[in-house]
Amino acid sequence: GAVVSQHPSWVICKSGTSVKIECRSLDFQATTMFWYRQFPKQSLMLMATSNEGSKATYEQGVEKDKFLINHASLTLSTLTVTSAHPEDSSFYICSAREEREAGEQYFGPGTRLTVT
Amino acid sequence: GQSLEQPSEVTAVEGAIVQINCTYQTSGFYGLSWYQQHDGGAPTFLSYNGLDGLEETGRFSSFLSRSDSYGYLLLQELQMKDSASYFCAPPRSWGKFQFGAGTQVVVTP
Repeated sequence: GAVVSQHPSWVICKSGTSVKIECRSLDFQATTMFWYRQFPKQSLMLMATSNEGSKATYEQGVEKDKFLINHASLTLSTLTVTSAHPEDSSFYICSAREEREAGEQYFGPGTRLTVT
Repeated sequence: GQSLEQPSEVTAVEGAIVQINCTYQTSGFYGLSWYQQHDGGAPTFLSYNGLDGLEETGRFSSFLSRSDSYGYLLLQELQMKDSASYFCAPPRSWGKFQFGAGTQVVVTP
């Protein structure tokens, strides 16, 4: 199956700093990628849809100025958490979908962000 | 609005069969996917029902009834490694997925 990678797998940063998370589709091209956030013992919450070559589409309640998304190529999307605060500590997961697969998304391994 | 309901937790012994039900209310229904997630890991795809009926993949099967807005995931011959969270997730438009709250399956010896 298709493989999606994320980097870094975990990161600790201080309040007020920014953190960039990369999501790559390794063996397929993804015109669309998705970013999710998951708090402990909770479900995945879709944050935004990342579109190659255009602006990301954010879900209601997600601050687009805080969570900057760039989809620079067909295999790379980045999520930057700007001016991070402890409440931003979470598990961030990206996914990508091959166009021919209607019901399947391929998830990256996730990035655990801890803001101190 | 959109809603998904699935049980929060199910406990069963090794070798048993577990059924995880999922009822949904969602606009623009395209089918129902199921994902497994182990603690600290990313979700992995299990199955997808685009049409009514049963889909079988090894020990796991999934069923969908559009008329009842209902689906289930069946785990057979439970193994310890099946202890994980299981999410039903209908694809929304443009490939977006909505995830249910998840069902924690606990397999005991």
